[in-house]
Amino acid sequence: QVQLQESGPGLVKPSETLSLTCTVSGGSISSYFWSWIRQPPGKGLEWIGYIYYSGSTNYNPSLESRVSISVDRSKNQFSLKLSTVTAADTAVYYCARELPGVTPNHFDSWGQGTLVTVSS
Amino acid sequence: DIVMTQSPDSLAVSLGERATINCRSSQNILYNSNNKNYLAWYQQKPGQPPKLLIYWASTRESGVPDRFSGSASGTDFTLTINSLQAEDVAVYYCQQYYSTPYTFGQGTKLQIK
Repeated sequence: QVQLQESGPGLVKPSETLSLTCTVSGGSISSYFWSWIRQPPGKGLEWIGYIYYSGSTNYNPSLESRVSISVDRSKNQFSLKLSTVTAADTAVYYCARELPGVTPNHFDSWGQGTLVTVSS
Repeated sequence: DIVMTQSPDSLAVSLGERATINCRSSQNILYNSNNKNYLAWYQQKPGQPPKLLIYWASTRESGVPDRFSGSASGTDFTLTINSLQAEDVAVYYCQQYYSTPYTFGQGTKLQIK
C-alpha cells in the first residue's frame, strides 16, 4: 500500500517561495504521475500540476508562471515550489498519485496534507 | 477549462435513506475511443484528505461499500448513496480528468437529517 507524506514549512512570508516535498513509501515513484493539489481553508480543491516520473510536467495555467514541480527518483520524492506567494496561497497542500495510462487517470492515493499559511 | 458544477451545495438525509448528488461538466468528458467518462467521485471527511470512491463515472474503488454507486447521462453525473450511514457524513467532490487542468466540483456537504 503506497503512502504519501508532505513535508515543509508551515509558515511562509508574503512574496517568498513556498517549498514542499512529498515522500512516497511502500512503492516506487516510477511509472506514475504525481500531482500537487491544494485546498484553501473551508474551500474546494484546486489542481496545481503534475510531474511524470521521467520528469515531464504539466501545470495549471492559473499558476503556471509561479509553479515548479521536480522529482528525485533516488529519494522517491517529488517537490513543489510556488514563488511570490500571497495570502491567497494559504491552503492545505496535498500530494496525490495518478495511475498511469495512455490517457489521463484518477487520483488513487493522497497524502494527509500539510497546511501552509502565508503571513508576515 | 472544464467547469464542474455540483448540486446541491448541501444535503440532509435521514439515516437509512438515499442521498443523491449531482455533477455537471461544462463539456463532454467521454473518450469515444474507449467509451469511458473521465469522472471521479471523492469523499472528504473533516481533517482528512479526499478518498476515492468512484472512477470512470461508475466503477467503485476497491473496498468502497456497495451502497455507493455512480452513473452518467451525457454531461450529467450522479453519485448515489443508498441506505445512508452515519459515517457517510462528509463533503463529496466530483472531478474530471478528461483534460488538464483537472478540475473539481465545488463540493456537496452531506449531513444527517
